[in-house]
Amino acid sequence: DIQMTQSPSSLSASVGDRVTLTCRASQSINNYLNWYQQKPGKAPNLLIYAASSLQSGVPSRFSGSGSGTEFILTISSLQPEDFATYYCQQSYGSPRFTFGPGTKVD
Amino acid sequence: EVQLVESGGGLVQPGGSLRLSCAASGFIFSGHWMGWVRQVPGKGLVCVSRIKSDGSITTYADSVKGRFTISRDNAKNTLYLQMNRLRGEDTAVYYCVREQRGFPGFDFWGQGTPVTVSS
Repeated sequence: DIQMTQSPSSLSASVGDRVTLTCRASQSINNYLNWYQQKPGKAPNLLIYAASSLQSGVPSRFSGSGSGTEFILTISSLQPEDFATYYCQQSYGSPRFTFGPGTKVD
Repeated sequence: EVQLVESGGGLVQPGGSLRLSCAASGFIFSGHWMGWVRQVPGKGLVCVSRIKSDGSITTYADSVKGRFTISRDNAKNTLYLQMNRLRGEDTAVYYCVREQRGFPGFDFWGQGTPVTVSS
C-alpha cells in the first residue's frame, strides 16, 4: 500500500501568517492527492483535489501544489476559522485511498 | 442540498454485529461511488470501504476484509455497511462519504455515527 506522511505533525501560527504544510507519498501518485480540513467534532471537508484544484466554495487563500511524491498545502493568510487539522489523501492506489496522519494548526 | 445521514451505530460486544445505514438525498445517488471512512476519536482517518455506483465493485481495507460488507440500494438511495465479528479496534466514528465525479475524492461527508465495541 502507498504510505502517506505529513510534516509537521503540528504547528503554531498566528492570524495573518503564511502557512505551509507538506505531504509525502511512499511512491509516485502523479497528482492524485487531496487535502481535507477537519475541525473538532466535525466531519472533514474537501479543500483541494488533484493536488492543486480548489474545491467549490473554498476560499482562495488555500492553494495546493506538487506532483509525484511531494505536495504542499499553503494558506496565504491564516484566518481564525482556519485553525484545524489538515489531512492529505492519496487516491491513486485504488482501492486503498490512504490518508496521512494529519497536521494540526493551532 | 446534498445530505448524508448515518444511523445504526451504538454499543456492541466483541464478536457481535452491527449494520450501518446512510440515507442520501439531494443528488443522483446512483451516479456516484460511495464509501465509509472511520476515525478513532483523536486519531486519523481510515478509508474502510468503497462501492461503485452500480454496486458491481467493492473495496475494503485489509483490517476489515472478510468481516465487513458494503452494499447499496439505489432505489432507496441508501448505503449500508454490515459489520460482523467486531473487535475493540473497530471502535470509531464511521462517516458515510460521497466520491465526487471526475476525480477521486470525498466531496461530501455525513455527520458520523459512533460505534463502540466493548464488553
